[in-house]
Amino acid sequence: ETGVTQTPRHLVMGMTNKKSLKCEQHLGHNAMYWYKQSAKKPLELMFVYSLEERVENNSVPSRFSPECPNSSHLFLHLHTLQPEDSALYLCASSLRTGGLYEQYFGPGTRLTVT
Amino acid sequence: KQEVTQIPAALSVPEGENLVLNCSFTDSAIYNLQWFRQDPGKGLTSLLLIQSSQREQTSGRLNASLDKSSGRSTLYIAASQPGDSATYLCAVREYGGATNKLIFGTGTLLAVQP
Repeated sequence: ETGVTQTPRHLVMGMTNKKSLKCEQHLGHNAMYWYKQSAKKPLELMFVYSLEERVENNSVPSRFSPECPNSSHLFLHLHTLQPEDSALYLCASSLRTGGLYEQYFGPGTRLTVT
Repeated sequence: KQEVTQIPAALSVPEGENLVLNCSFTDSAIYNLQWFRQDPGKGLTSLLLIQSSQREQTSGRLNASLDKSSGRSTLYIAASQPGDSATYLCAVREYGGATNKLIFGTGTLLAVQP
């Protein structure tokens, strides 16, 4: 158990639905990350938060909206998704951002958009 | 733009065999390189992290090497076991930027046959 939990573990949603993914870390870290893992493609970094401020947004479409209310919780709000958004969404945390600090990953949410 | 490639994409070996997984990257200006393991339906587990100034790291039956100048890393697994079956991901940490992003390869799916 890595200390990073994600809920739900599986989610099926229609293109007109609104849903949210939740990530919680119990490691006392100050940085949190969202990654997307699509079939046959490398993990892609989506967003980085440091001390609840977004410090990186990798040209992610606005239908994905992150929220970090405190350093332990990270959300990804989803609306008007497309079938190509179906993927495994992974959350990670680290003590701080920067190369010195190892990232710890959650188990992921498997999202299917119908 | 940094690109990480892993060869082979899939590998099947009999139990007890020693094996090597390969990772190559296009930009040698990296902070460090990390090998992860991903089991089906689960998140990433860090196996070994090699700093850019290091040549190799060892943990139990695993040995990872880094040749930064040629843009290559290998993960050597000795005396493979069925429990080693998983996807192995290589990731390099970019040098510079606010967050020193992790850039992932597409992984090698390893199956160890009993």
